Amino acid sequence: AQKVTQAQTEISVVEKEDVTLDCVYETRDTTYYLFWYKQPPSGELVFLIRRNSFDEQNEISGRYSWNFQKSTSSFNFTITASQVVDSAVYFCALRPIIQGAQKLVFGQGTRLTINP
Amino acid sequence: NAGVTQTPKFRVLKTGQSMTLLCAQDMNHEYMYWYRQDPGMGLRLIHYSVGEGTTAKGEVPDGYNVSRLKKQNFLLGLESAAPSQTSVYFCASSEILGQTYQETQYFGPGTRLLVL
Repeated sequence: AQKVTQAQTEISVVEKEDVTLDCVYETRDTTYYLFWYKQPPSGELVFLIRRNSFDEQNEISGRYSWNFQKSTSSFNFTITASQVVDSAVYFCALRPIIQGAQKLVFGQGTRLTINP
Repeated sequence: NAGVTQTPKFRVLKTGQSMTLLCAQDMNHEYMYWYRQDPGMGLRLIHYSVGEGTTAKGEVPDGYNVSRLKKQNFLLGLESAAPSQTSVYFCASSEILGQTYQETQYFGPGTRLLVL
């Protein structure tokens, strides 16, 4: 069975603070992808990052960074110097890398509010 | 490119009515998906298609039908709407990259459906 857990339902911080969104996953597959999506108040889902299970290098993109640790089955997302525009619901998702596996398993989402 | 578009954006139905949600993508993607998003549950896969003329069931297919007559369009039908189908519906599409099935799903803006 596959499962993604985002234990933080809601987070609220003041602008310019750093914030980390946790993602823990469960899978029996040896190879898989992990994703983060952002859902701003307008409602659409915006792709942020895809990570392969065999590549444990951390990734940084501007103020965003992702920490992938296979040993703890975690794929955490950090926003540095947060801004009001970062306010959104963030989803972590998992998909195995095998033929025919089309199902993206989503976590419940973390609602992030950045206060000015 | 418009990416993935969905029609309509919002709809109110009475119990027992039928309707069709349209998803269109202009990225020439092979795979298309329909998800529903409910509070606290993330997104769940309803049906998906791996190519024109093919469809398959996802995690929560009951009460829905789909068709993929053209590569760029994926239709989701509700034959007899029920209040339990009140949700936000997202369409997504993805392409196949080589043999490792590297693919990222890109989402439409969503359709908000209320069944009274």
